[in-house]
This record gives sequence, C-alpha cells and structure tokens, in this order.
Amino acid sequence: GEDVEQSLFLSVREGDSSVINCTYTDSSSTYLYWYKQEPGAGLQLLTYIFSNMDMKQDQRLTVLLNKKDKHLSLRIADTQTGDSAIYFCAETLNTGGFKTIFGAGTRLFVKA
Amino acid sequence: GAVVSQHPSWVICKSGTSVKIECRSLDFQATTMFWYRQFPKQSLMLMATSNEGSKATYEQGVEKDKFLINHASLTLSTLTVTSAHPEDSSFYICSAFGPQSVDTQYFGPGTRLTVL
Repeated sequence: GEDVEQSLFLSVREGDSSVINCTYTDSSSTYLYWYKQEPGAGLQLLTYIFSNMDMKQDQRLTVLLNKKDKHLSLRIADTQTGDSAIYFCAETLNTGGFKTIFGAGTRLFVKA
Repeated sequence: GAVVSQHPSWVICKSGTSVKIECRSLDFQATTMFWYRQFPKQSLMLMATSNEGSKATYEQGVEKDKFLINHASLTLSTLTVTSAHPEDSSFYICSAFGPQSVDTQYFGPGTRLTVL
C-alpha cells in the first residue's frame, strides 16, 4: 500500500541539530520531498531527493535516504526559533500517473 | 521559481451554497494540477488530479459531484464545492509540478473554507 509515516513531535534547543525521520512503504517512489508549513500558511518546499540518491545537502539541510529500509531523514543544523513549524515528508509515486503521498507531519518546537 | 496562486485565500459561506476556488500557475504551464484537502493538525489528503482538457481523476472516497474540478486552460484549474456543508470546512491547497516535470511540486498558499 501507499503509506508515509513520521513521528508527530520533536523538541530541540536553539542551536542544536534537529533530525526528523520518515518511513515509506511504496518502492515505486521517484522523488521524496520535505515541506515546511507554518501556521495558517501553505506548504513551502524545503528540499527533495531523487530516489536513486543517498544524500543531498543544501545549506543547513541534509537529507539522507536509505532506500533499502525505505527511510528518509531531514537534518537541520543550528536550528533556529524560526524553524519551528510542521515538516511534511512526501513521496511521489509513478503509478501510470504521478501521485504524491504525504506523511502526517512532524511538529518541530525550538526552545530558545 | 515557479509560482502557484489561489483565490480566494479565505471564504465564509452559508450551508447549501457553492464555492469556487481558483488555482493558477503564474509563470508556467501546468497540464496537471492537484487538489488537496487539509483538516486542522492533519496531513494533506489528495482529493483529485486535474488534467487540462480532460476529466479529473478523483481519489477513492472523494465525491466527484460534490467537488467539481475544471481545468480549462494550461494555467487555471478550479475546484467548486457544491452545496457546501459545515463538514466541508477545511484548508484546500492546489499544486502543480514545475516546468522541470516532477522534480519539484509547487503549492498554492491554500484557501480556507468555512461553511456556517
């Protein structure tokens, strides 16, 4: 089936690193994404990784993909209070047409 | 980068009325757009895939007669919530894959619908 799972909450201190984890079930994923959503706002694409890559780094963000275990993680270095938001993991499946499945979102709390 | 807009950003309507939400790709053509629904503190649920010039593809459990989708041009898709009821109150978000195909999905800012 198509399922994306994330832990619901993460709390870190300002300046520490945050690691948000995600697991997915469908092996036909083409791209995997991390989105950020601030209260009352739409989604903001943070980064994405193609399914044949292991790692992608973009400034403070590092994405690791373990395709064997179907595990995706997002590391935010030097977490700031402005990083407090909900982070959604998503995968795009190629099932004849493209379809994106989202996780439930991880709420990140950053303590000053 | 590519921009997707939605209009209106929020709407309040009476039960039984219909509401139309527009989704536009501002600087690129989108043959395919997606409509999502998000309940408070929950994830996005894909409602339907909107294809330019053809009928939308609805996800299981989504009533096509309730949520009418029209994708009449390469830059505009509309979602009409017909005979809205309070349980239709939600945050509706559209998206489109960017000009470089499926490597990047761009989301609209969302439309908050409140049905009284």
